[in-house]
Amino acid sequence: EDKVVQSPLSLVVHEGDTVTLNCSYEVTNFRSLLWYKQEKKAPTFLFMLTSSGIEKKSGRLSSILDKKELFSILNITATQTGDSAVYLCAVGTNAGKSTFGDGTTLTVKP
Amino acid sequence: DTAVSQTPKYLVTQMGNDKSIKCEQNLGHDTMYWYKQDSKKFLKIMFSYNNKELIINETVPNRFSPKSPDKAHLNLHINSLELGDSAVYFCASSQLGEGGAFFGQGTRLTVV
Repeated sequence: EDKVVQSPLSLVVHEGDTVTLNCSYEVTNFRSLLWYKQEKKAPTFLFMLTSSGIEKKSGRLSSILDKKELFSILNITATQTGDSAVYLCAVGTNAGKSTFGDGTTLTVKP
Repeated sequence: DTAVSQTPKYLVTQMGNDKSIKCEQNLGHDTMYWYKQDSKKFLKIMFSYNNKELIINETVPNRFSPKSPDKAHLNLHINSLELGDSAVYFCASSQLGEGGAFFGQGTRLTVV
């Protein structure tokens, strides 16, 4: 059975801190790893990673994939209160299946 | 323009009823999905449709049936609703193999 594990489950930081969120996976026929941010409503897409060692970056967010060790990290630098959300990691397979982790709840305090 | 739209946003109904949730995407994607997010916020895939063919059917009860009249629509029909069906249901779409899925705003289903 495909498995995606995120850690930590929750995290509380202060504005300006840097955070690292982790996602490890065990799936059959890996195709891609995706990060989403979910605030009050629907998840919004952040990154898709398919190759090891290539960092994807968007503003203060960045992510990298290690296909040998089967994990990815999502970094957020200089956090702001607007970064407070649940961050979801999902792994897609060649069969089109997506398995989501349980998410990391990030709270950024002023 | 909304990329992935679901209706209704809220649905309150009694046990035993049959209900449908509609989903439409205007992104030209070839794959659409239904996800269920329970009270603990765990997101589980239920179905995906690619070019009008079901390519994944997770172990959901057969009271749930996806219906795709065309590539831009994937509706979810639920028969004999049960209390445990209460959740938020998300529709999503993607171009298989390219990029992430785009989600609709969700339908909060409450069965009483």
